[in-house]
Amino acid sequence: KQEVTQIPAALSVPEGENLVLNCSFTDSAIYNLQWFRQDPGKGLTSLLLIQSSQREQTSGRLNASLDKSSGRSTLYIAASQPGDSATYLCAAVMNRDDKIIFGKGTRLHILP
Amino acid sequence: EAQVTQNPRYLITVTGKKLTVTCSQNMNHEYMSWYRQDPGLGLRQIYYSMNVEVTDKGDVPEGYKVSRKEKRNFPLILESPSPNQTSLYFCASSLGEVLDTQYFGPGTRLTVL
Repeated sequence: KQEVTQIPAALSVPEGENLVLNCSFTDSAIYNLQWFRQDPGKGLTSLLLIQSSQREQTSGRLNASLDKSSGRSTLYIAASQPGDSATYLCAAVMNRDDKIIFGKGTRLHILP
Repeated sequence: EAQVTQNPRYLITVTGKKLTVTCSQNMNHEYMSWYRQDPGLGLRQIYYSMNVEVTDKGDVPEGYKVSRKEKRNFPLILESPSPNQTSLYFCASSLGEVLDTQYFGPGTRLTVL
């Protein structure tokens, strides 16, 4: 059974630093992987979607990579800002079925 | 404005009293899905629908029903709610199949006493 893990569960970094959030999955046969942002009490906002045939996707200060062979995806945030403070979740869609498996998220706090 | 709407946003009810949470999207999306989010357990998929009249179970379907009679709506039905269904519920949709970017509703916080 596919498992998606995000470590650490929480992270605090000073404003302006570059940072990397990690997502690992146990079954490499994923179809795509998506990164989301969730603000407290709010719904999820899609950040980046990487298809299995892709290695990375970029949007502004965000860059997501996918390495199926190692079962890992990373979300790189450049020049972090206090407004980046939120919980970041990754979710994998499997080849074998249409279920979506979410990680439990990394709660990010950018210190002003 | 393209969006996914859910109603109600907050609901407190009692055990056994049937309820429906509505979900509607105005983007002509084919794929719709329901999730619940619980502390320590993260987001788990309840049911999903690839298109009208096509629904499938997710990871935690027990105690829930859904229907997809029209493309824009995907209601979540709790026939006999129990306290362990107290949770934050999200509806989501995407353009084609699940492969596409998902758009989430604002969430419904349900408390079952």
